[in-house]
Amino acid sequence: ETGVTQTPRHLVMGMTNKKSLKCEQHLGHNAMYWYKQSAKKPLELMFVYNFKEQTENNSVPSRFSPECPNSSHLFLHLHTLQPEDSALYLCASREPGQGVSPLHFGNGTRLTVT
Amino acid sequence: KQEVTQIPAALSVPEGENLVLNCSFTDSAIYNLQWFRQDPGKGLTSLLLIQSSQREQTSGRLNASLDKSSGRSTLYIAASQPGDSATYLCAVWDTGGFKTIFGAGTRLFVKA
Repeated sequence: ETGVTQTPRHLVMGMTNKKSLKCEQHLGHNAMYWYKQSAKKPLELMFVYNFKEQTENNSVPSRFSPECPNSSHLFLHLHTLQPEDSALYLCASREPGQGVSPLHFGNGTRLTVT
Repeated sequence: KQEVTQIPAALSVPEGENLVLNCSFTDSAIYNLQWFRQDPGKGLTSLLLIQSSQREQTSGRLNASLDKSSGRSTLYIAASQPGDSATYLCAVWDTGGFKTIFGAGTRLFVKA
C-alpha cells in the first residue's frame, strides 16, 4: 500500500472514447501531480495542483483535462486521445511549498489507445 | 532549461558487488534532489531525498551524495542483492519547489 491509490490499473480505449483516471491519496498532502511515463523517455510532468488550485500545466494538450475536487482526489479526464498517448500515467502527492517533502507515487494506470 | 542525465543506462553486476549510479544536472540552482526506485509495471518508490544544503543522505545500504557546484549526484549501493534489481531514477526540484525534472533512469540487474 503506497498511500496513493490509482484506478484503474489498466485501461484500453479507442480514440473516440471518453474515460477518466482517478487518484486518491491518504497521506494528508496538499499537492498532487500527474506524470506521463512513455517507453524509453523520462517522466514528464503534466499538471500540478496545490491546495486544489492548478499551479502548473506543462503544455499538455487539451484532450487531457485534470480535475481536483479536494486535496485528496485528483482526476484526469481523457477524450479523443491519440495512439501516441499510450503510456503509464502516474499520480503523486507531497506537501506543497519549499519544505522538505518527498514525492509519493501511486502504481499508475497503464493506458493503451487503440 | 534543466536537463538531467543518468549514466549508465543499464548495469548488470554479480550479487555482493558495491556499485555507483550517477546523475548529472545542467543547472545547479536546484532545491532538492530525490532518488527513486521503480519496479517493472509499478510506480516509483522514494529512496532518498537530499536538500540542496546537504551533501549526503544514508538509508541502510544506500548512500546518496550531492555536489551542486559540479551538478552531480551519486547513489551508492553496498553489497548488492538480486532484490535490488530495478530501475533507479533521480529527479531534481527547481528552486520554486514545485517542478521536478527526471532523468531517464539506470536499469540495474543484480545476478544471483
